[in-house]
Amino acid sequence: EDQVTQSPEALRLQEGESSSLNCSYTVSGLRGLFWYRQDPGKGPEFLFTLYSAGEEKEKERLKATLTKKESFLHITAPKPEDSATYLCAVQANSGGYQKVTFGIGTKLQVIP
Amino acid sequence: NAGVTQTPKFQVLKTGQSMTLQCAQDMNHEYMSWYRQDPGMGLRLIHYSVGAGITDQGEVPNGYNVSRSTTEDFPLRLLSAAPSQTSVYFCASSYLRTGGEQYFGPGTRLTVT
Repeated sequence: EDQVTQSPEALRLQEGESSSLNCSYTVSGLRGLFWYRQDPGKGPEFLFTLYSAGEEKEKERLKATLTKKESFLHITAPKPEDSATYLCAVQANSGGYQKVTFGIGTKLQVIP
Repeated sequence: NAGVTQTPKFQVLKTGQSMTLQCAQDMNHEYMSWYRQDPGMGLRLIHYSVGAGITDQGEVPNGYNVSRSTTEDFPLRLLSAAPSQTSVYFCASSYLRTGGEQYFGPGTRLTVT
C-alpha cells in the first residue's frame, strides 16, 4: 500500500529563517510526487511535480527536491505570506488505477 | 477562467437525507475527481473520471455516486447521509488523464446530524 509521511506536523519560523519540510514515501513504482499549498478554508493549490530522483523544481522562495525515498520542500528566507499547510502526494505506476495518495501535511507558520 | 467551482459552500443534512454536491470546471480537463478531507487523515479519493461517460471508484466510494455526462460537470451524490460523511469535500480536475497535477475547487463543508 502506498504511504506518505510528512514531518514535522507543524513548524513555526521567524521571518527570514530558512528551513525544510520532509515527505517520505513508500510506493511501488513512482509515477510522480506532488507538492501543494493549502490556505485555511481553501482548496489545495498545486506547486510542483517531481518525477525522478535528483530532480529539483523552484518557485520564488520554495525549492522541491526528490530522492528515491523522500522529498524535501526547502523554504528560503520565508515571509508571513508563506504561512500555510503544505501537502505532499504521490502517484504510483499501479495498473490503471489513477490514484494519488496524500500526506496529512505540514502546517507552517511564519512569524514577522 | 473560473477554474473549478463547487456549490454549495456549506451544507447541513439530517441522517438519511440525500443531496448532490455540484462541481464544474471551465478548463476543458478530461480528468476530474472528488476527495474528502478529514482532520488527521489527509485527502482521500472518493471517485474519479477520465472523461465524459467514464467514472471509477477511488479509495472511499461507499455511500457516494457520481456521473459524468459532460466534460465540464462532475456531481457527487450522497445517497443516504450518515454522520460519518461529515467532512470537507473537494472537487479537482487535471489536464493529465493520469490525474497527476490537479486543480482544486474551494470545497464544500458538509455536516450530517
